[in-house]
Amino acid sequence: GQNIDQPTEMTATEGAIVQINCTYQTSGFNGLFWYQQHAGEAPTFLSYNVLDGLEEKGRFSSFLSRSKGYSYLLLKELQMKDSASYLCAATDSNYQLIWGAGTKLIIKP
Amino acid sequence: DAGVIQSPRHEVTEMGQEVTLRCKPISGHDYLFWYRQTMMRGLELLIYFNNNVPIDDSGMPEDRFSAKMPNASFSTLKIQPSEPRDSAVYFCASSGSGRDPNTGELFFGEGSRLTVL
Repeated sequence: GQNIDQPTEMTATEGAIVQINCTYQTSGFNGLFWYQQHAGEAPTFLSYNVLDGLEEKGRFSSFLSRSKGYSYLLLKELQMKDSASYLCAATDSNYQLIWGAGTKLIIKP
Repeated sequence: DAGVIQSPRHEVTEMGQEVTLRCKPISGHDYLFWYRQTMMRGLELLIYFNNNVPIDDSGMPEDRFSAKMPNASFSTLKIQPSEPRDSAVYFCASSGSGRDPNTGELFFGEGSRLTVL
């Protein structure tokens, strides 16, 4: 079957770095997305990886290893506003998005 | 652009009533998706359209759910009759990814929070 695994919840300190991991099993693969969702709001796009390696975008970076079925989202210089859920989603061979349950990130002062 | 617009933002109704949710996608986007989100099941795809044509409705829970897209700027999701287990946040999203539906960024509306009593 198709599956996305990511931790349910993580806690980090303001100013620190946190890495949110995601492993996926899909029938075929056409890319991996990360979305951020603040409580009570809609998901918003953070990143898209289709090739192996690290994509950096400001304080946020996303990494993909296709051979390992693994991705992570790295958040640097954490700010209180980064408290949110982070959703990992993989696109399978039929271009269907398989969503993870999300990782709730709690930032403490 | 105004982004994806959904209405109503909140709806409280009684079991058995008809519910209609509305969505206006971003102009020029050729894909439109209806999602449902609950704490228990996360984000679930219900149906998606390409150029106003329904492509995959395998996520629609049962016959009580129906969706239409009469033109490029409007879609509806209807639940008739509604049940308490339909309580969720319903998101509409659009993308303009050309040939493949999920290789580009999805733009989500603010969602419609439905409570069925």
